[in-house]
Amino acid sequence: AQSVTQPDIHITVSEGASLELRCNYSYGATPYLFWYVQSPGQGLQLLLKYFSGDTLVQGIKGFEAEFKRSQSSFNLRKPSVHWSDAAEYFCAVGIPPNFGNEKLTFGTGTRLTIIP
Amino acid sequence: KAGVTQTPRYLIKTRGQQVTLSCSPISGHRSVSWYQQTPGQGLQFLFEYFSETQRNKGNFPGRFSGRQFSNSRSEMNVSTLELGDSALYLCASSLSDRGIGETQYFGPGTRLLVL
Repeated sequence: AQSVTQPDIHITVSEGASLELRCNYSYGATPYLFWYVQSPGQGLQLLLKYFSGDTLVQGIKGFEAEFKRSQSSFNLRKPSVHWSDAAEYFCAVGIPPNFGNEKLTFGTGTRLTIIP
Repeated sequence: KAGVTQTPRYLIKTRGQQVTLSCSPISGHRSVSWYQQTPGQGLQFLFEYFSETQRNKGNFPGRFSGRQFSNSRSEMNVSTLELGDSALYLCASSLSDRGIGETQYFGPGTRLLVL
């Protein structure tokens, strides 16, 4: 079964500083990879996704993520964070169609705090 | 276009009761998935419906059930509530039956508290 690990429970970053959130997955092949953001009291919003092809993926709100097969990682980055980026971020993996039960497996999340 | 709506937003029940949560997908979306979010277990997949048929099911007991209507609206039911069922229940809709390759749009969730 697939699994995903987000090693950082909580990260604090100064406004304007760069950000990198870590995500590692476990699966025998290349899964589908996703990053979602959840603001307080809200549902999840998809930031970006990777299925295949170019390993650097651009998403919404200025986020990007890089798939590294050798490290089984899909880290999320942003060059300059804004106070509105404070939220909880979830990495998720999914099995490509026809390879089994198609569902998303989520990481435990990383809570991002932005300080002035 | 309106987003995914979930009702009610908040719910308090006592152990042993049963509860029904409702989800209205984005207009035109035919797939609805349900997730449970708790501080201890995180986000866990419950089940997915497409065209009134359950396509996938997560690892939850039979007390958790769902259904989808012909207009794609979905309900989930939890019977014989336990304290551990306290959670945020999220519904997500997607356009077709392409599975997780299709972008899912999440609703704000229903927060259930079991006393």
